[in-house]
Amino acid sequence: GQNIDQPTEMTATEGAIVQINCTYQTSGFNGLFWYQQHAGEAPTFLSYNVLDGLEEKGRFSSFLSRSKGYSYLLLKELQMKDSASYLCAVSGTGGFKTIFGAGTRLFVKA
Amino acid sequence: DTEVTQTPKHLVMGMTNKKSLKCEQHMGHRAMYWYKQKAKKPPELMFVYSYEKLSINESVPSRFSPECPNSSLLNLHLHALQPEDSALYLCASSQDAAVKTPLHFGNGTRLTVT
Repeated sequence: GQNIDQPTEMTATEGAIVQINCTYQTSGFNGLFWYQQHAGEAPTFLSYNVLDGLEEKGRFSSFLSRSKGYSYLLLKELQMKDSASYLCAVSGTGGFKTIFGAGTRLFVKA
Repeated sequence: DTEVTQTPKHLVMGMTNKKSLKCEQHMGHRAMYWYKQKAKKPPELMFVYSYEKLSINESVPSRFSPECPNSSLLNLHLHALQPEDSALYLCASSQDAAVKTPLHFGNGTRLTVT
């Protein structure tokens, strides 16, 4: 079967660093995506990992370990606007299917 | 502004109505998708079109009928829906379904079935 697990909610303070974890078990693997979704809006692409290691993009970084079926999204210098849901998504065999985790709702407080 | 445009933004329909959702992209993407999203849940894949051909139907009930008239347009025809079909319907596109490129989502159509 296919399973993607993320924490349901997290709270962090403005200016701090937060790490959102994702574990997955899928049939086939063609990469892992992180998306941000503000309430009532469409998801927007943040990062993509297909090889093990860390990908850095400004305040956001994403890490992948394929052998462990594990990824995390690291957000630095948190801002209030970072309050959103963060969706971990895995592209399966053939790349046609992108399956989403339930998402982690991040609350950034002052 | 999103590069994937969906209309209408909101739709209220009765269970006997027939309506259509529309999606348009002009990024030259060759793969287009319909996802359904319930409140506080992740998007669920419904259909995938690759090069204007239906590649994936995730066992979606026949009351949902997709159509891809050309590489820029994607429609979802709705007929005899149930109240539990009320959700946010998201259209997305990607450069190529077989290549590991990110999805670009439209802002969605919020559908209410009464």
